Amino acid sequence: GENVEQHPSTLSVQEGDSAVIKCTYSDSASNYFPWYKQELGKRPQLIIDIRSNVGEKKDQRIAVTLNKTAKHFSLHITETQPEDSAVYFCATYTGRRALTFGSGTRLQVQP
Amino acid sequence: GAGVSQSPRYKVAKRGQDVALRCDPISGHVSLFWYQQALGQGPEFLTYFQNEAQLDKSGLPSDRFFAERPEGSVSTLKIQRTQQEDSAVYLCASSGGGGTEAFFGQGTRLTVV
Repeated sequence: GENVEQHPSTLSVQEGDSAVIKCTYSDSASNYFPWYKQELGKRPQLIIDIRSNVGEKKDQRIAVTLNKTAKHFSLHITETQPEDSAVYFCATYTGRRALTFGSGTRLQVQP
Repeated sequence: GAGVSQSPRYKVAKRGQDVALRCDPISGHVSLFWYQQALGQGPEFLTYFQNEAQLDKSGLPSDRFFAERPEGSVSTLKIQRTQQEDSAVYLCASSGGGGTEAFFGQGTRLTVV
C-alpha cells in the first residue's frame, strides 16, 4: 500500500519567515495531494491541494509544489504569522479511494 | 447539516465495554471514511464506504472493530470489548467521491480506562 513520509516532525520559525514541509510517497498511482491544518483539539481542515497534472499551486501565502518523477511534494508558507502555528498533515489519494496521511509537522511561529 | 457531525464528542469506556460512534456526513456525499488518530500522530485509515458499500476495511486493527453505513448516509463505528490501546480520537470524513476534498468531523475522543 501507499507509504507517506513527512519531514520535519517539528518546525520553529520566526514570524515573517518562510516555512517548508516536505512529503514523499511511494505509490506512483497517487494523483491528488491535499494538505491539512489541524489546530489543537480541532478537526483537520484542508488548506490547499494539488493534482498530478499540475506542478505548482499558490493561494496567497501558501503554495504547494509537486514533483511526480521524484514522488515528493512540499508545502510552502511565506510571511508566517502566529496563527499559522498548528500541525500540518500531507496526504495522498490513490485508486484505493482513501487518503493516506503523513505523520504530521508541528509548526511553531515565534512572534 | 452544514458539516460532518460526530457523536459523542467524548466517550469514556471501561475496558471490555462495547462502544458505538456515530458519524453524520455532509448530505449527498457518497464517500465516507473513518480514521483513528493517536495523540501526536497523523490520522490512520480504518475503513471506507461508497454509499452503503464498504469497499475497504483493511485498516481495521482487529475483528473487534466493525463499521456500517446501511442506508448510505449515517455511519456507525462499533468497537467491541474495548482495550486501552483503543484510546484515540476517531475521525470521520466525507467527500463527494474520487480525489476530491474530504471534510472532517470534530472527532470522538475515546478513552478506555
